[in-house]
Amino acid sequence: AQSVTQLGSHVSVSEGALVLLRCNYSSSVPPYLFWYVQYPNQGLQLLLKYTTGATLVKGINGFEAEFKKSETSFHLTKPSAHMSDAAEYFCAVSDQSGGFKTIFGAGTRLFVKA
Amino acid sequence: SQTIHQWPATLVQPVGSPLSLECTVEGTSNPNLYWYRQAAGRGLQLLFYSVGIGQISSEVPQNLSASRPQDRQFILSSKKLLLSDSGFYLCAWTHSSDTQYFGPGTRLTVL
Repeated sequence: AQSVTQLGSHVSVSEGALVLLRCNYSSSVPPYLFWYVQYPNQGLQLLLKYTTGATLVKGINGFEAEFKKSETSFHLTKPSAHMSDAAEYFCAVSDQSGGFKTIFGAGTRLFVKA
Repeated sequence: SQTIHQWPATLVQPVGSPLSLECTVEGTSNPNLYWYRQAAGRGLQLLFYSVGIGQISSEVPQNLSASRPQDRQFILSSKKLLLSDSGFYLCAWTHSSDTQYFGPGTRLTVL
């Protein structure tokens, strides 16, 4: 069985500060890992994903995440927050062997202060 | 390119009334299709998924049902809505276990 834990339902940062959103996963098989972003009253859109290969993955809008197998983590970072980054972020895991379901974390709402 | 549509965008329904939400995908074939619900302040709850026409898997027992009458059409229904059915309903598609592509969502308010 797979699961995802996002630490912190709300994170607040100042504009220009580092953004760090934490995600830990559990999977008995090699995982695919994802970060999605959701703006108010919209669907989710993919920020970045890890499938195989390089463990540091870069996504849209300056975000990146590092897959650390030993720590079962996939934390999302951005060096400098922008007001437009305020949104809800979801970490997710799926099964590389071809399972049909993606397991989503509970989400972290990011607030950016001017 | 692929696109996914959901309608209606918003819906206000009285308790006990029926429901039909529609999702269609364009630009791809044989997608896996999903219905999720987001209640206020909560994460995504998987309701149903489908890997082919007429094949529906239910994740949560409740008064909702789903159907897939065509390859790229996925419908969420209810015969009698409950207050607890209020929420934001999202449809998504994927091929295999890779990226899920989400529709714009339907905001349902049951009064």
